Amino acid sequence: QVQIVQSGAEVKKPGASVKVSCKASGYTFTSFAMHWVRQAPGQRLEWMGWINGGNGDTKYSQKFQGRVTITRDTSASTAYMELSSLRSEDTAVFYCARDELRGDYYSGMDVWGQGTTVTVSS
Amino acid sequence: SYELTQPPSVSVSPGQTARITCSGDALPKHYAYWYQQKPGQAPVLVIYKDSERPSGIPERFSGSSSGTTVTLTISGVQAEDEADYYCQSADSTDTYWVFGGGTRLTVL
Repeated sequence: QVQIVQSGAEVKKPGASVKVSCKASGYTFTSFAMHWVRQAPGQRLEWMGWINGGNGDTKYSQKFQGRVTITRDTSASTAYMELSSLRSEDTAVFYCARDELRGDYYSGMDVWGQGTTVTVSS
Repeated sequence: SYELTQPPSVSVSPGQTARITCSGDALPKHYAYWYQQKPGQAPVLVIYKDSERPSGIPERFSGSSSGTTVTLTISGVQAEDEADYYCQSADSTDTYWVFGGGTRLTVL
């Protein structure tokens, strides 16, 4: 079945970097984009950026530009999100979710990973 | 930066109709998407392309668009619909995706 499985929880010190992975299965990885979304405790969803699974093109939210890097390994059907210069405000659950371009519209984030909790603490 | 505005909370009794709005200047140009999120769970897509319902989503969920406002309507609300709901769309330059602030639906 279609699913996305994310890597496990992380604890990092301020100033460090974290790299979260999401492994897709049950569908053609290169036919879909992968979004990354952050959700701090009790807060709203925040779009961080996405990657085209086929050609690797990326776009990042202006809020995270310069600190976030999204990559993919098509041979492993896996996308990665690396966030650098971590601060306490980055303590959050990070989600990945797939999306598909269908002609002139996107399908929406129809399959999500289970979320990865990142805790930033000294 | 571009913003989508949602009411923080909506409350309805079981069986009634809940309407959750989302406003944004670029909504006339770009489709909206709606997600339901229950505590401790990942979001679930309930509406895409303004008014389309993914397979497996109950018919009581519907979406509509008028000018700079899109609306998620839940008819015959059930207790299990109590959740946070987020709208999502693209900014005016069609470069970035944005989520609304979220609306907590309370079933009284």
